[in-house]
Amino acid sequence: NAGVTQTPKFQVLKTGQSMTLQCAQDMNHEYMSWYRQDPGMGLRLIHYSVGAGITDQGEVPNGYNVSRSTTEDFPLRLLSAAPSQTSVYFCASSYWGAGVLYEQYFGPGTRLTVT
Amino acid sequence: SQQGEEDPQALSIQEGENATMNCSYKTSINNLQWYRQNSGRGLVHLILIRSNEREKHSGRLRVTLDTSKKSSSLLITASRAADTASYFCATDLGAQKLVFGQGTRLTINP
Repeated sequence: NAGVTQTPKFQVLKTGQSMTLQCAQDMNHEYMSWYRQDPGMGLRLIHYSVGAGITDQGEVPNGYNVSRSTTEDFPLRLLSAAPSQTSVYFCASSYWGAGVLYEQYFGPGTRLTVT
Repeated sequence: SQQGEEDPQALSIQEGENATMNCSYKTSINNLQWYRQNSGRGLVHLILIRSNEREKHSGRLRVTLDTSKKSSSLLITASRAADTASYFCATDLGAQKLVFGQGTRLTINP
C-alpha cells in the first residue's frame, strides 16, 4: 500500500497563477480532506469529502476548489494564487461511518510558496 | 476559533523523564485523537479515545479523557530523543470535521 500520496512536494507560484495539488489514496477510504498548516500553527480544514461526488467546505475554503470523481483521488485547485496561500498543504483520508471520523492517514505534504 | 487548545505550547525535558501535554475543547465530541508530527513531515496518528472512554494506553503512551471538564491529556513515559516532535489533539465534533489544536512542541534533551 502506498497510503496517501501527494504531488508535487514543492511548488512556487506567482500571484494570480492557478494550479492543482494532487492527492490519491489506495485504502478505499470514503473520507478525504485537505488541510493547510501555517508556521507554528495547527491544521485548518479547507475542504472535505465523504465519498465520490460529495464535497463540502471546511474552515478556510475561500480561494480553493475541490472535486471527487473517484474514491481514490481528491485534487485541490487554487484558482488565483495569493501570497496568503503560502503554506504547507496536507491531504488526509480515513474511514467514516455512522457519523464518526476514525484515524486520519496523512500524505507527506506540499510546500507551496506564492510570490 | 480553535476547538482544541493545547497546553503547554512548548515543553523541554531530559531524556528518560515523562512528558504530559493537555488539550481542552469547547463542545461535545464523538472522539478525540492525538497525532505526532516530526519536523516538516505529515502527521501520524497515535491514539483515538472515544467519548465514552476514560483512559487508553499504547506502548509508552497514555491518554485520558474527562468529558465533564472537556479535557484530555497525553502522557509519554520514559521519553527518548526520537519523541522530539510536535503533538496535536484533534476533536471529532460529529459534523464530518476533525478540528486540530495548535499543538505542543516537545523537545527531549539528551
